[in-house]
Amino acid sequence: GNSVTQMEGPVTLSEEAFLTINCTYTATGYPSPFWYVQYPGEGLQLLLKATKADDKGSNKGFEATYRKETTSFHLEKGSVQVSDSAVYFCALSDQSGGSNYKLTFGKGTLLTVNP
Amino acid sequence: KAGVTQTPRYLIKTRGQQVTLSCSPISGHRSVSWYQQTPGQGLQFLFEYFSETQRNKGNFPGRFSGRQFSNSRSEMNVSTLELGDSALYLCASSLGYGRGYTFGSGTRLTVV
Repeated sequence: GNSVTQMEGPVTLSEEAFLTINCTYTATGYPSPFWYVQYPGEGLQLLLKATKADDKGSNKGFEATYRKETTSFHLEKGSVQVSDSAVYFCALSDQSGGSNYKLTFGKGTLLTVNP
Repeated sequence: KAGVTQTPRYLIKTRGQQVTLSCSPISGHRSVSWYQQTPGQGLQFLFEYFSETQRNKGNFPGRFSGRQFSNSRSEMNVSTLELGDSALYLCASSLGYGRGYTFGSGTRLTVV
């Protein structure tokens, strides 16, 4: 089956620092990667996505490029804010066999940004 | 545009009881999927429905079941509750493959 490996936290940064959260995956078919964010007590919010190789997703200052050759989708932000404190999940949907119609998630990375 | 609505938000049940959770997808979304989130196992896929048909099912015991109605609303049922079923249950709806999934706020189930 598919699997997603993301950098384990927790990650603690100061405001305006640069953020990278690594995410790599294994997939058997035609994967589409996503980043989701979860704020305390809430569900998951889609942060960004990619549908084909070399696609760059971007949203709210966050970016991630889908690198098919390295099977990666690393999340970056140039200058984090206190409001970015949350848990970030890398996820994958794959249009093949038993992986169809579902998301496979990484374990999540807790980010805390201090003022 | 209304988001994915899950009810109830919180639920406390006793071991051995059964529970039904409800999910109303975004209007026009015909795919509804369910996930269980626990601190130990993370986010795990339960099942996915499209046009009232289950298209995929995760590795959960038969005590976990679901269904989808003609208006795309979905319910999931857990029978004979165990302490380990305590979790946040998340519902997500989608327009289709690669379009992303929109999640609800979840139902927090506590089994005592």
